[in-house]
Amino acid sequence: AQKITQTQPGMFVQEKEAVTLDCTYDTSDPSYGLFWYKQPSSGEMIFLIYQGSYDQQNATEGRYSLNFQKARKSANLVISASQLGDSAMYFCAMREGSIQGAQKLVFGQGTRLTINP
Amino acid sequence: ETGVTQTPRHLVMGMTNKKSLKCEQHLGHNAMYWYKQSAKKPLELMFVYNFKEQTENNSVPSRFSPECPNSSHLFLHLHTLQPEDSALYLCASSQSDRGRETQYFGPGTRLLVL
Repeated sequence: AQKITQTQPGMFVQEKEAVTLDCTYDTSDPSYGLFWYKQPSSGEMIFLIYQGSYDQQNATEGRYSLNFQKARKSANLVISASQLGDSAMYFCAMREGSIQGAQKLVFGQGTRLTINP
Repeated sequence: ETGVTQTPRHLVMGMTNKKSLKCEQHLGHNAMYWYKQSAKKPLELMFVYNFKEQTENNSVPSRFSPECPNSSHLFLHLHTLQPEDSALYLCASSQSDRGRETQYFGPGTRLLVL
């Protein structure tokens, strides 16, 4: 069974609009972390935002915020005031436990976001 | 140089060639990772090194051989690859002694096996 599900293969949004990218996860571990990464066409995975399972508040980083609904096991990324440079693949990932201190991340299949001028 | 660097950025090789991918991190991290990203598939973890010790081999074929001489450098040695090994290979690093460990990625090596 998939641990991370991103149901939107592609999204098209008008510049300056807000956009929500969906992510649901599946885990029985009470301690976990959720990450969002951006991957432009150049290939590099750029870290955007992190949410820990015990964090009381939703994470925010500039124009990025994470809508964390623990009971629904969802961690949607919200990008406010989208820009043309936001066009990229976006990946949701989950840390579940650890490998002797190092992280093991499981990634979703990604959502391709296109911002139209 | 800052962050995580990878060389080469692009590589074309025949099935009988031997080549190596190099990753270097300038972040002072102690854990390094190799991932494979194939078209239309999620990122797959291949190998994990923590303090230079390999702690994960995610059922990777032996034609991929990792090497981690120190906490800053990671290599992936390739030999007798198959066309289905064509993919983007991403290196990442993290600091594994903190509660919240973010992995930082390099730009990747795009590999084409002919």
